[in-house]
Amino acid sequence: QSVLTQPPSLSAAPGQRVTISCSGSSSNIGNTYVSWYQQLPGGVPRLLIYDNDKRPSGTPARFSGSKSGTSATLGISGLQTGDEADYYCAAWDSRLSEVVFGGGTKLTVL
Amino acid sequence: QVQLMQSGAEVKKTGASVRVSCRASGYTFTEYYIHWVRQAPGRGLEWLGWFNPKNSGSKFAQKFQGRVTMTRDMSVSTAYMELTSLRFDDTAVYYCARGGYYFDPWGQGTLVTVSP
Repeated sequence: QSVLTQPPSLSAAPGQRVTISCSGSSSNIGNTYVSWYQQLPGGVPRLLIYDNDKRPSGTPARFSGSKSGTSATLGISGLQTGDEADYYCAAWDSRLSEVVFGGGTKLTVL
Repeated sequence: QVQLMQSGAEVKKTGASVRVSCRASGYTFTEYYIHWVRQAPGRGLEWLGWFNPKNSGSKFAQKFQGRVTMTRDMSVSTAYMELTSLRFDDTAVYYCARGGYYFDPWGQGTLVTVSP
């Protein structure tokens, strides 16, 4: 059972927009930054979004992040088949004094 | 470019220890923490702890307290993670990642297989 809660799976058609939620609490998302990672099949996790809504160079503008209260959201617009991957949110938990991850969301682009 | 290169796959018996290395290049080794994250087969990401190469400070997840050690060799810009008393469910890919509040980049991963 992960401290951060994500939907296990989502599917959408190419070209559509999808949002992936990440729900936490006041000890993690509620008082610190959230980051998002993309893990392509068989690949290494890659930073997608940091500090809630910032994109590192190399992350297309189709990817966006937001945070409100104790929840965060990753948005992907103009879906492409290459976006099929597992997506993870992460944050520091001040009560546990640990980094906590969401359980991951498997995105299928039909 | 910034890179983290990890050591190769390991096969260990239950009860043994494993040490994974993570060599940093393309940046000043002491200016960023190194985090260790693992992923069991078909499972999600699990944080083991962070290590500060500047002063060898560290913080471990409660689950791994007493079983994990993190060290470094500054002469070769390399961080190490050692996990002792290995159990079958420690079988996973172990990643190092550079970071503070977020992790970037990640090493390529080291598969550790624990067999009876």
